[in-house]
Amino acid sequence: DTGVSQNPRHKITKRGQNVTFRCDPISEHNRLYWYRQTLGQGPEFLTYFQNEAQLEKSRLLSDRFSAERPKGSFSTLEIQRTEQGDSAMYLCASSSGALAGEKLFFGSGTQLSVL
Amino acid sequence: AQSVTQLGSHVSVSEGALVLLRCNYSSSVPPYLFWYVQYPNQGLQLLLKYTSAATLVKGINGFEAEFKKSETSFHLTKPSAHMSDAAEYFCAVTLYNQGGKLIFGQGTELSVKP
Repeated sequence: DTGVSQNPRHKITKRGQNVTFRCDPISEHNRLYWYRQTLGQGPEFLTYFQNEAQLEKSRLLSDRFSAERPKGSFSTLEIQRTEQGDSAMYLCASSSGALAGEKLFFGSGTQLSVL
Repeated sequence: AQSVTQLGSHVSVSEGALVLLRCNYSSSVPPYLFWYVQYPNQGLQLLLKYTSAATLVKGINGFEAEFKKSETSFHLTKPSAHMSDAAEYFCAVTLYNQGGKLIFGQGTELSVKP
């Protein structure tokens, strides 16, 4: 169990540029979640996958955001035409099953700064 | 829709003193409740969870929480604070049909004074 891995740890970009983050969940975890956390706030749910299927997207997720999980393994989160308001910590988590009480394992996050 | 409210964004205690972090939830059906801890530059870690079994839940590092339906509360306690407990603590809620998706409170930063 190597834990949930997120890359890069930090990303600085200029407004209007596109960025992509990667998340590698714990092996064989079926569920993968993306959250966004701003300073002084709790994580906000963005989207989640069951294997390769994206089952839910938050209305916080504008059409500039897209997430994929090809083959049900790693996932990518892309933000197009970044805005300063996109600056935040993007967290990925995974869990082993579909039960509501399942423990989520979180990565250390990708800190995005949009200049 | 379900939600959680954490009372107090900052709590400061002396080493050895009682830790009490407050969480109230709102849900129309029985919820599942969680406490996660976040240390600087690390991912969130599960401290404990309530999933409709015993109302007093014991977690890691000496923490425990009690589910009180009548008060819609799930407060986190630890009898004696240690310097290593300084961190950000988040209460979270989900429902049986939410696919494991957690809704988090805004967090409480715990400081421990020597």
